[in-house]
Amino acid sequence: AQKVTQAQTEISVVEKEDVTLDCVYETRDTTYYLFWYKQPPSGELVFLIRRNSFDEQNEISGRYSWNFQKSTSSFNFTITASQVVDSAVYFCALSEAYTGRRALTFGSGTRLQVQP
Amino acid sequence: KAGVTQTPRYLIKTRGQQVTLSCSPISGHRSVSWYQQTPGQGLQFLFEYFSETQRNKGNFPGRFSGRQFSNSRSEMNVSTLELGDSALYLCVSSLEQGARTDTQYFGPGTRLTVL
Repeated sequence: AQKVTQAQTEISVVEKEDVTLDCVYETRDTTYYLFWYKQPPSGELVFLIRRNSFDEQNEISGRYSWNFQKSTSSFNFTITASQVVDSAVYFCALSEAYTGRRALTFGSGTRLQVQP
Repeated sequence: KAGVTQTPRYLIKTRGQQVTLSCSPISGHRSVSWYQQTPGQGLQFLFEYFSETQRNKGNFPGRFSGRQFSNSRSEMNVSTLELGDSALYLCVSSLEQGARTDTQYFGPGTRLTVL
C-alpha cells in the first residue's frame, strides 16, 4: 500500500523568508511518480511538479525547488523568498506509473501562511 | 485551451436524496478521475474512467458510481446521501498518450453539502 506523510500541518513565515515543506512517502513499487499540488483558498488544485522515481535530480523553477532523495523516501519542496501569494495548502502525492493504476495517494497537506 | 469544468459548483441536498455531478475534461483528454476531499479524510480517490470504461476504483461504497460518455465527459452519482458525503468533489483530467502517466489537471470542484 502507498502512503504519503506530510508531518507539518501548518507553517507560518514572514514574507521573503525561505520555507521547506516536507514529504515522506512509502511504496513497494520500483517505478512511481511523485507530485506537488498547491490549493489556494479558491479550492482548485494547481499542479506544480511531477517527478519520476528514476530521476533523482533536483529541480528548480523560479523560486520553487524540489529535493528528491530516494534513500530517505523524501520529496521536499522549498520556496525561496516567500510571498503572500504563496499562502495556500500544499499537497504531496504519489502514484504508480502504469496505465490503469494512476490513482493519486495524497498526504494530508501543509497549510502555509505567509505574513506580509 | 479551456480547463476542466465542473457543474454545478455548489449543491445542497438532504439526507436520502441522490445527486449527479458533471465534469467536462480538457479538450482531447481521455481520462477522467474523481476525488473526494473532506477535512477529516483529506483527498481520496473515487474512480477513474477511460474510453467509457471504469479502469480503477477507490474504497468507497456502492452508493458512489460514475460513468463516462463517448465525448469523455463524465458524471458521478451518489445515491442515498449521508451527512458524511458533504465534501468537495474534484474531477481530474489527463491526456493518456502512452503507457506512462502524464500530468493530471484538477477542476475547480463541486462543493456538496448534505443537510
